[in-house]
Amino acid sequence: AQSVTQLDSQVPVFEEAPVELRCNYSSSVSVYLFWYVQYPNQGLQLLLKYLSGSTLVKSINGFEAEFNKSQTSFHLRKPSVHISDTAEYFCAVSEKDSNYQLIWGAGTKLIIKP
Amino acid sequence: DADVTQTPRNRITKTGKRIMLECSQTKGHDRMYWYRQDPGLGLRLIYYSFDVKDINKGEISDGYSVSRQAQAKFSLSLESAIPNQTALYFCATSDPRGAGTDTQYFGPGTRLTVL
Repeated sequence: AQSVTQLDSQVPVFEEAPVELRCNYSSSVSVYLFWYVQYPNQGLQLLLKYLSGSTLVKSINGFEAEFNKSQTSFHLRKPSVHISDTAEYFCAVSEKDSNYQLIWGAGTKLIIKP
Repeated sequence: DADVTQTPRNRITKTGKRIMLECSQTKGHDRMYWYRQDPGLGLRLIYYSFDVKDINKGEISDGYSVSRQAQAKFSLSLESAIPNQTALYFCATSDPRGAGTDTQYFGPGTRLTVL
């Protein structure tokens, strides 16, 4: 992947409202796609990933992301956010048959307003 | 106990000093990585190691060196620290399951300040 773009550095949203965090990538080959989450003062942890098969992938805490090949996007969504979702979210991409390096987006801070 | 640990968690040092950041893992993974995180820039790869004898430069290796002492230990050194190396440093591991599909597991980070 040449680059990963997360268009929004911060997304403020009211509690229980829906949210979408956007991720676009550029690559001339097939890719694997990841969303990682970083809670305050912690390391990153995998939220969900797309490797193959169904283009809609889901996490255990209600997030989902859809791989759109034609738009080279992998947007993250949640229908109703909670205060505990406050974190920074990173999109990452690796190219199939690459040297396994992840290309990271700059991150989007999700700010939940009570 | 945490699977990936980093020491120290915080460090303040002066320009020109040599600094070593240490990473240990109990996950049994062969692959280990060092990243730095800067606000608005996301994560950038400094070095990565696929096993004890396989160490590779990442995107921003200048000014850094690494040592893979064992499968479980991967250290990052700044031979002569400079202020623009002030950042949050993360160690990560992964278990290769297929080209590019690995999930990476991160340590809690080391916040380094170079004065």
